[in-house]
Amino acid sequence: DSGVTQTPKHLITATGQRVTLRCSPRSGDLSVYWYQQSLDQGLQFLIQYYNGEERAKGNILERFSAQQFPDLHSELNLSSLELGDSALYFCASSVRGRALLYEQYFGPGTRLTVT
Amino acid sequence: DAKTTQPPSMDCAEGRAANLPCNHSTISGNEYVYWYRQIHSQGPQYIIHGLKNNETNEMASLIITEDRKSSTLILPHATLRDTAVYYCIVRVPVNNAGNMLTFGGGTRLMVKP
Repeated sequence: DSGVTQTPKHLITATGQRVTLRCSPRSGDLSVYWYQQSLDQGLQFLIQYYNGEERAKGNILERFSAQQFPDLHSELNLSSLELGDSALYFCASSVRGRALLYEQYFGPGTRLTVT
Repeated sequence: DAKTTQPPSMDCAEGRAANLPCNHSTISGNEYVYWYRQIHSQGPQYIIHGLKNNETNEMASLIITEDRKSSTLILPHATLRDTAVYYCIVRVPVNNAGNMLTFGGGTRLMVKP
């Protein structure tokens, strides 16, 4: 158990819909990262938040957005869903401190299926 | 960030040591080497990291060559539960900047009974 929790575990929805994925980082971790893993693209970084502020963006679609709340949990919002958005979505958190920045702890993921 | 090269797959007998190589010949002096693994459909799991010296923890050992152009992750007594994709990642840790991990193809380790 990494200490990072994600809900829901599974989500099945239709094209055009909007969903929200939730992540709670490990206690004390200020950084939250979102990654997407699809069959053909591998693990890809989407976005990072640090203490409520956006810190870095990867290949995140404009239809996707995220935020980190004062209690440090984060939500990833996916809208106008397409079949190609079906994937595993992972959240990770990390502690502060230079070398530890890449010692990230991943949640179990949310499997999104768009039909 | 330095590019890494890993063999796409390896087999290992249960109980034997698994030695997973990674080539990072363009690594710069302040880049660390990190290893992660992903067991089927689970979240990636941090294993170990190092800069220059060899490192060991309860999961594995990391051997970095003197010129730092390659490294080897060693699982001393592989079990069936070590079957996973292993990723070698090279990054410079910089505070107040994006610290995303970039995952390549990794090495698919199959531990066989």
